[in-house]
Amino acid sequence: EIVLTQSPATLSLSPGERATLSCRASHSISGHLAWYQQKPGQAPRLLITDASNRAAGIPDRFSGSGSGTDFTLTISSLDPDDFAVYYCQQRYIWWTFGQGTKVEIK
Amino acid sequence: VQLMESGGGLVRPGGSLRLSCVGSGFTLSHTLMTWVRQAPGKGLEWVGHIRSKTEGGTTDYAGPVRDRVTISRDDSRNTVFLQMHSLNVEDSALYYCTTETPGGRKYYDTSLGYSLYEYYSDYWGHGTLVTVSS
Repeated sequence: EIVLTQSPATLSLSPGERATLSCRASHSISGHLAWYQQKPGQAPRLLITDASNRAAGIPDRFSGSGSGTDFTLTISSLDPDDFAVYYCQQRYIWWTFGQGTKVEIK
Repeated sequence: VQLMESGGGLVRPGGSLRLSCVGSGFTLSHTLMTWVRQAPGKGLEWVGHIRSKTEGGTTDYAGPVRDRVTISRDDSRNTVFLQMHSLNVEDSALYYCTTETPGGRKYYDTSLGYSLYEYYSDYWGHGTLVTVSS
């Protein structure tokens, strides 16, 4: 089973700041990585597929990068609507999720 | 495109439950249909999925549930099912069904080494709550 480890667990930032979230895979997964955003009481929302492709309707302040075992989700300038939990997900061998990173208002 | 789950509820440890996910606005058999669960206050957990008809309709399951769940599809009802047996308290969660549809042009990414679409759109139901308790 491929394990995904996200860091940090919590990120405390102010609106307008840059957020950098990390996801590390236990084995190489090429570019088979997605990122999701989830707000309280809501279903997750797909942000990024294939490590760096934005999903439909996702603002360009969200970007993904990486390949192999190390991946990054960057939010260039935090909007008040972006404070949420973010999950990475590998799709290389079956699917697994990381444990999540909470982006909270500082 | 809409998805709606049903069938959740309270079940005793060791019991069984069948969850349903009805699709509208699209043909469910044309896409990969996935079940994801989330225990209260916890993260997301992939349960399993069933591939589209064109991809053979095969299924994959997560390790913790592999021997206890079956995902199936009824194309006449545009519905996917998650049948669960031998439920335990760790199976208590909100169960979502979800799918993605490709958009834009298909292209080959030389750095990734495979073909993909320009973008994908995801769709989720509201979830159905399963509580396993004596």
